[in-house]
Amino acid sequence: DSGVTQTPKHLITATGQRVTLRCSPRSGDLSVYWYQQSLDQGLQFLIQYYNGEERAKGNILERFSAQQFPDLHSELNLSSLELGDSALYFCASSVVGANTEAFFGQGTRLTVV
Amino acid sequence: GESVGLHLPTLSVQEGDNSIINCAYSNSASDYFIWYKQESGKGPQFIIDIRSNMDKRQGQRVTVLLNKTVKHLSLQIAATQPGDSAVYFCAETAWDFGNEKLTFGTGTRLTIIP
Repeated sequence: DSGVTQTPKHLITATGQRVTLRCSPRSGDLSVYWYQQSLDQGLQFLIQYYNGEERAKGNILERFSAQQFPDLHSELNLSSLELGDSALYFCASSVVGANTEAFFGQGTRLTVV
Repeated sequence: GESVGLHLPTLSVQEGDNSIINCAYSNSASDYFIWYKQESGKGPQFIIDIRSNMDKRQGQRVTVLLNKTVKHLSLQIAATQPGDSAVYFCAETAWDFGNEKLTFGTGTRLTIIP
């Protein structure tokens, strides 16, 4: 158990809908990262937050947004969903920044039908 | 743009043998490299890391080698076991417009043959 909790584990929704994925980082970790993993693909970095503020942005679509709350949990919002958004979404956390070991959650599997 | 790529998408190794997984990176400014293991249905799990001021680091049954001249990273797993079967990702950290960014490679699927 990495200490990073993601909910829900599975999500099935229709095209055009909006969903929210939630991540609770390890106790004490200030950085949260979101990654997208499509079938048999690598991990695509979406966005990073540090202590409530956006720190780095990757290949995140405009339809996607994220935030980190004062209690350090984070949410990833995906809107106007398309079939191609079906993927595993992982959250990771680390004590400080990307230059330290990051711990991953079990992921949320999103299926858009 | 920067990319981290792997030479082989799949690798099969006999149980007990050593395995070597290779990774090429393109960002010469990267200063921290990590290997992750991802088992089916699970999130990536940290295996070992190495900083750019080192060329070798050893862990338990694993060794990471860094060749900055040719921008190449490798993961050696000694005496492989069935539990080593997984997808292995290399990742690099580099500064990008004042922010640190962790970028993952495509992954290599390692299969241990009993």
